[in-house]
Amino acid sequence: EDQVTQSPEALRLQEGESSSLNCSYTVSGLRGLFWYRQDPGKGPEFLFTLYSAGEEKEKERLKATLTKKESFLHITAPKPEDSATYLCAFANSNSGYALNFGKGTSLLVTP
Amino acid sequence: SAVISQKPSRDICQRGTSLTIQCQVDSQVTMMFWYRQQPGQSLTLIATANQGSEATYESGFVIDKFPISRPNLTFSTLTVSNMSPEDSSIYLCSVRGAGNTIYFGEGSWLTVV
Repeated sequence: EDQVTQSPEALRLQEGESSSLNCSYTVSGLRGLFWYRQDPGKGPEFLFTLYSAGEEKEKERLKATLTKKESFLHITAPKPEDSATYLCAFANSNSGYALNFGKGTSLLVTP
Repeated sequence: SAVISQKPSRDICQRGTSLTIQCQVDSQVTMMFWYRQQPGQSLTLIATANQGSEATYESGFVIDKFPISRPNLTFSTLTVSNMSPEDSSIYLCSVRGAGNTIYFGEGSWLTVV
């Protein structure tokens, strides 16, 4: 059965303290692995799509990587405004672009 | 990027009533989806809204409870029928945009009392 698991559930960092969020997946045919940021009261904001193992994408302090079993979202020198819930999702080759989401990692960055 | 507008943004409804949520996109898109996010939970796909044909529902969701319309390539509606407190959730419209990016609206926050 296709599934995705995110860890940790919650993460508290000091400003400037780099870390990584994990997304482990089991998918029969991966069409794409997606990362989103969600702020309270808002819809998910698109960050990255990764398609194949070895692929990396960067945006400001965020870098997403993909292996055949996991994806990581690396946060370098985070700031308080990076506090949010980060969601990982996959689309498989049979589902078009309907996404299956993990439960998310709630990130809090303190000054 | 695709800009998605959802109405209403919030509503409080009486149990047993129905509410229709509208989703308007600023450009034509081939694929539209409806998701539910229950309090403190992640997103769950309700259905894929197909233009010109019946929606495709995920396991656990049925057309009688969540009828969906998609009359054209920029608009869709989701109705939550015969509501109960368990239907209190955020309902999110999503579209497949350029470059296969999946965009989400801000959501419709529904509270059933």
